[in-house]
Amino acid sequence: DAGVTQSPTHLIKTRGQQVTLRCSPKSGHDTVSWYQQALGQGPQFIFQYYEEEERQRGNFPDRFSGHQFPNYSSELNVNALLLGDSALYLCASSLDRTGLSGNTIYFGEGSWLTVV
Amino acid sequence: DAKTTQPPSMDCAEGRAANLPCNHSTISGNEYVYWYRQIHSQGPQYIIHGLKNNETNEMASLIITEDRKSSTLILPHATLRDTAVYYCIVRGNDISNFGNEKLTFGTGTRLTIIP
Repeated sequence: DAGVTQSPTHLIKTRGQQVTLRCSPKSGHDTVSWYQQALGQGPQFIFQYYEEEERQRGNFPDRFSGHQFPNYSSELNVNALLLGDSALYLCASSLDRTGLSGNTIYFGEGSWLTVV
Repeated sequence: DAKTTQPPSMDCAEGRAANLPCNHSTISGNEYVYWYRQIHSQGPQYIIHGLKNNETNEMASLIITEDRKSSTLILPHATLRDTAVYYCIVRGNDISNFGNEKLTFGTGTRLTIIP
């Protein structure tokens, strides 16, 4: 049973460029969330996708956008990259449990983005 | 979301039980306590979660006090591979997202297992 998979694992971009990160959720999961983790800090929630719609969003600018496909996989796009966007980007998947008790969220290994 | 307080770092001898404390004095009645750990440069790994009863799985035990204001994660026989940052998280209770709330991470406890 494959867990959450992300690609690429590492990449380097230049300020002002755009980047796309990809995520395949754990088998059977339909909800995908993205987190940003700067060096030395805990992960920060960016947004969550369910049924191809953004359902929740954290305190991130509109430069951060996402997409979920019918097969539940997801992409994170960041436009106009800043040096401060350098971080580990984590994808997390879960099974929707609206109205029920909290679900379990599983994380991928992340994509390391360096902006120079 | 209720905030949590954890010691920034702890050491534990290999083979001994590692007991990681967490305070969450403002937790609401139906908020869960979750524990994750993150080994250097890897994604966070789910360990365990609970509401009010003690929980145990193949990785760890979770002891929640009766008033639910604090909890302890217990790794029964720590190994060098348990060296990681451990995050205690109280899962939010936003009614509109109930069941799918985001995780709010703090800075965690850096646990070092000593040979």
